[in-house]
Amino acid sequence: DVKVTQSSRYLVKRTGEKVFLECVQDMDHENMFWYRQDPGLGLRLIYFSYDVKMKEKGDIPEGYSVSREKKERFSLILESASTNQTSMYLCASSPGGQGLGELFFGEGSRLTVL
Amino acid sequence: LAKTTQPISMDSYEGQEVNITCSHNNIATNDYITWYQQFPSQGPRFIIQGYKTKVTNEVASLFIPADRKSSTLSLPRVSLSDTAVYYCLVTELDDYKLSFGAGTTVTVRA
Repeated sequence: DVKVTQSSRYLVKRTGEKVFLECVQDMDHENMFWYRQDPGLGLRLIYFSYDVKMKEKGDIPEGYSVSREKKERFSLILESASTNQTSMYLCASSPGGQGLGELFFGEGSRLTVL
Repeated sequence: LAKTTQPISMDSYEGQEVNITCSHNNIATNDYITWYQQFPSQGPRFIIQGYKTKVTNEVASLFIPADRKSSTLSLPRVSLSDTAVYYCLVTELDDYKLSFGAGTTVTVRA
């Protein structure tokens, strides 16, 4: 069974802390994504990666960075967390080529910044 | 970038058919449509995908008219467990972009 695993389901951090959200997929997928989900705003793309060491900005990259050193792992980094980054963060992966839109999501990481 | 629009919410009763329409007026030739279902505190999961005409699987059907400017997800004979948020996604293969709709909250009542 395919699986996308996010390292933490719930995190509480303080303003100014550096936050790492880790995501691992076991499907050998080329594409990986980080989304943010807030009530009434749906799914908003932060960053995505279509290959190792490659990254592309999504719709809301400000305040975030990403790292993809290995194919199976995609990390989201908040360099200095702020209260407006309190949200649900969802990682997803998809195959290459025509499989781009066949996303497999993790369970999500709910981050609270105090 | 294709913009997707879908209704905010829909109510239904057990045993009824639910149809959710997504508008995507700027869809391009090589774009295709995918629908996802999301329960509270879980990530969205794939329901169905299509390019044109009609696609059916064990849980849903997807109708796409000839002009492809909209698509309709059809859930036959819904049950209480179908209460969820449903998302429409347009995948633009040429530009390597994905555009989610804002989601439709479907509430099924007994």
